[in-house]
Amino acid sequence: GAVVSQHPSWVICKSGTSVKIECRSLDFQATTMFWYRQFPKQSLMLMATSNEGSKATYEQGVEKDKFLINHASLTLSTLTVTSAHPEDSSFYICSARLTGQNYEQYFGPGTRLTVT
Amino acid sequence: QKEVEQDPGPLSVPEGAIVSLNCTYSNSAFQYFMWYRQYSRKGPELLMYTYSSGNKEDGRFTAQVDKSSKYISLFIRDSQPSDSATYLCAILNTGGFKTIFGAGTRLFVKA
Repeated sequence: GAVVSQHPSWVICKSGTSVKIECRSLDFQATTMFWYRQFPKQSLMLMATSNEGSKATYEQGVEKDKFLINHASLTLSTLTVTSAHPEDSSFYICSARLTGQNYEQYFGPGTRLTVT
Repeated sequence: QKEVEQDPGPLSVPEGAIVSLNCTYSNSAFQYFMWYRQYSRKGPELLMYTYSSGNKEDGRFTAQVDKSSKYISLFIRDSQPSDSATYLCAILNTGGFKTIFGAGTRLFVKA
């Protein structure tokens, strides 16, 4: 149990275009989902916390107009990178916390974004 | 000072060795302590969690928490090449509900 999926697993896009990444909790409901960014050989950097039915909470320094997050249901959150630039190339990972739990997070497999 | 400090390594050990991975934290309000394993180009996988001082064992893995010293450890017995990965400690402040991750320690187990 507690499986989180992400789609796509990798994507290449051109500068100026937008890319949407989906995060789904497959066998549980997740009131809270998290979006992380990870550069090679570095740890996870929390970008935003996404709560179902409300606006996401962004970490300091993360542009909310550039990284649009929507958490429309208890099993789906999406991250849209708008007007992508090469510096947005990174590994994006989502995680989900079980509704009612306040500590365990289950991670998706990640999405590798390359902007050319 | 970072809230969670973890030596990034890399740490290289021979197969069969006992591995000790450690983190320190600064805020005594932290309550939950977790260890994640991350293989290259994959998402982190939850290995163990605990919320009290002492030891918690699961197969070859033992998590240890010393709240008085603000020190947490993960021990891996009889290490295998398949244990080669990055191990991240994670600590949760129950007040904030936000998990704080360590930098991750890269472990290499050589056959």
